Amino acid sequence: DIQMTQSPSFLSASVGERVTLSCRASQNINKYLDWYQQKLGEAPKLLIYNTNNLHTGIPSRFSGSGSGTDYTLTISSLQPEDVATYFCLQRNSWPYTFGAGTKLELK
Amino acid sequence: QVKLQQSGAELVKPGASVKLSCKTSGYTFSTSYMSWFKQIPGQSIEWIGMIYAGDGGTGYNQKFKGKATLTVDTSSSTAYMDLSSLTTEDSAVYFCAREQLYFDYWGQGVMVTVSS
Repeated sequence: DIQMTQSPSFLSASVGERVTLSCRASQNINKYLDWYQQKLGEAPKLLIYNTNNLHTGIPSRFSGSGSGTDYTLTISSLQPEDVATYFCLQRNSWPYTFGAGTKLELK
Repeated sequence: QVKLQQSGAELVKPGASVKLSCKTSGYTFSTSYMSWFKQIPGQSIEWIGMIYAGDGGTGYNQKFKGKATLTVDTSSSTAYMDLSSLTTEDSAVYFCAREQLYFDYWGQGVMVTVSS
């Protein structure tokens, strides 16, 4: 199985700050990398698919990049409603696997 | 609009089985794919497997083979997951999600608690 390693596990940032979350795969995943936001008690919400495609209705402050084994989610200007846990997911091969998540909090 | 409505919380005894449902609306279910996921509260998410509603074809995470069985009822646009021989390690929130290359719509999740 492909292992997905997210960093950092926890991140505290201020409103308006630029935030970068990372995800590393144990092998090349050919940009089949999605990012999800999950708030407490809710289902995951798709933000980015295939590395850099913004899902419908997602604010443009979210963006993704990467290739090979290394991928990044960037929030250009953190907003209070962005407080959540963020997961990366690889869909390159079965079984699909998630990272352990990055918990984002407000400073 | 697309909706995935999951059945209510379950409290089941060890060794028992449970059948979870995911009723869909707002899109053509019969030619779609559905995946199921497991999440222990406070932890990450695991992909259990997927089913193609067109022919009932399935694919499973090896970890869940023998534990989960996925089926569909196209007449009611509903997907099901049977979980068998439950243990405390199966206590978790289970989600269904529509797969259109990526997982764009999710059910609200259902908590399954395995306890005597």
